[in-house]
Amino acid sequence: AQSVTQLDSHVSVSEGTPVLLRCNYSSSYSPSLFWYVQHPNKGLQLLLKYTSAATLVKGINGFEAEFKKSETSFHLTKPSAHMSDAAEYFCVVSDDYKYIFGTGTRLKVLA
Amino acid sequence: DAEITQSPRHKITETGRQVTLACHQTWNHNNMFWYRQDLGHGLRLIHYSYGVHDTNKGEVSDGYSVSRSNTEDLPLTLESAASSQTSVYFCASSESGRGNTEAFFGQGTRLTVV
Repeated sequence: AQSVTQLDSHVSVSEGTPVLLRCNYSSSYSPSLFWYVQHPNKGLQLLLKYTSAATLVKGINGFEAEFKKSETSFHLTKPSAHMSDAAEYFCVVSDDYKYIFGTGTRLKVLA
Repeated sequence: DAEITQSPRHKITETGRQVTLACHQTWNHNNMFWYRQDLGHGLRLIHYSYGVHDTNKGEVSDGYSVSRSNTEDLPLTLESAASSQTSVYFCASSESGRGNTEAFFGQGTRLTVV
């Protein structure tokens, strides 16, 4: 079975500094990977997805992620954090058309 | 625009009562899912369906059931609500036959069992 591990439950950054949210996956074949964001008391919104077309994936709101097979990683980055980025972020892998979630990383952005 | 809606958005019920949470999607997706979200656990899969009359158990299915009589709806039933089922529940849907397609989520239902 496929799985994902989010390495940090909480990350704090200052506004304007880079964001790095880490995700490692476990898969016996080429996975489909996703990052979702959840703002407080809201539903889940897709940030980006990897589907083997390109290893560097660009998403909405300036986020991007790089698929690294050798490291089994799919880390999410953003060059400059904004206050509105404060939210919970989920790394997700597709397994037999089901979606397996990591435990989430809560991003705090300091003014 | 196509969407996925959940109702009610908030519910308080008593231990032992039967509760049904509704999920309706207009994407015409064959795949539908129910998750629960709890602090420290992310979202965990309860039940899922790949089409009409198809239902499957997920990771945390005990005490829950679903039925799929049409493409649009996948209601989730708590047979006898327990305090451990206090949670936020999310319904999702996705296009069938494509493992690389994303899931679309409803806004969630906050259920409190007292």
